[in-house]
Amino acid sequence: AAGVIQSPRHLIKEKRETATLKCYPIPRHDTVYWYQQGPGQDPQFLISFYEKMQSDKGSIPDRFSAQQFSDYHSELNMSSLELGDSALYFCASSSTGQARTEAFFGQGTRLTVV
Amino acid sequence: DAKTTQPNSMESNEEEPVHLPCNHSTISGTDYIHWYRQLPSQGPEYVIHGLTSNVNNRMASLAIAEDRKSSTLILHRATLRDAAVYYCILRDGGSNYKLTFGKGTLLTVNP
Repeated sequence: AAGVIQSPRHLIKEKRETATLKCYPIPRHDTVYWYQQGPGQDPQFLISFYEKMQSDKGSIPDRFSAQQFSDYHSELNMSSLELGDSALYFCASSSTGQARTEAFFGQGTRLTVV
Repeated sequence: DAKTTQPNSMESNEEEPVHLPCNHSTISGTDYIHWYRQLPSQGPEYVIHGLTSNVNNRMASLAIAEDRKSSTLILHRATLRDAAVYYCILRDGGSNYKLTFGKGTLLTVNP
């Protein structure tokens, strides 16, 4: 079965550069979630989208922005990168955003800022 | 989001059952109880979820206390591949679109 696809899997950027992470949800899933997981940390919720509209917002820095496109894929844009942005970034999707449904996660993008 | 409390770590032997507890004394009537697990360097993986009744699927069983203030994830026969961090998460049915991870339980499975 198709899973959540994230690209790229690995990314190395320098400080103050920008990065764009992409997420392709499971077909017919209309809800996308983004998470950041630092070394030894638990996943932290950043932002979610439902039907191409932002549905909830967590601890996402102002330097980050995200959107969901008409084909339901989503992109997380990160500007003015800092060393502390080095982390695993996960995307998840679900068939609705409702609490009664499960979310499926991608394998993540490992971002390293040098 | 309502808070959950889990042991930091647990240990089990291969092929034995594992009971992973979760306390959620402030759960509200609309909160769903979800369990996810995360293997090293992988994305979280859905395990099971429920509202009031016990649930079974091919991966695990979820036992929910009658007052819903606690729940237990049951792995019937642990394998080495079950070694992971297990997260018990409450999802508010009245506030959708967020899935918030807390501190999970690191399960070690001994051969």
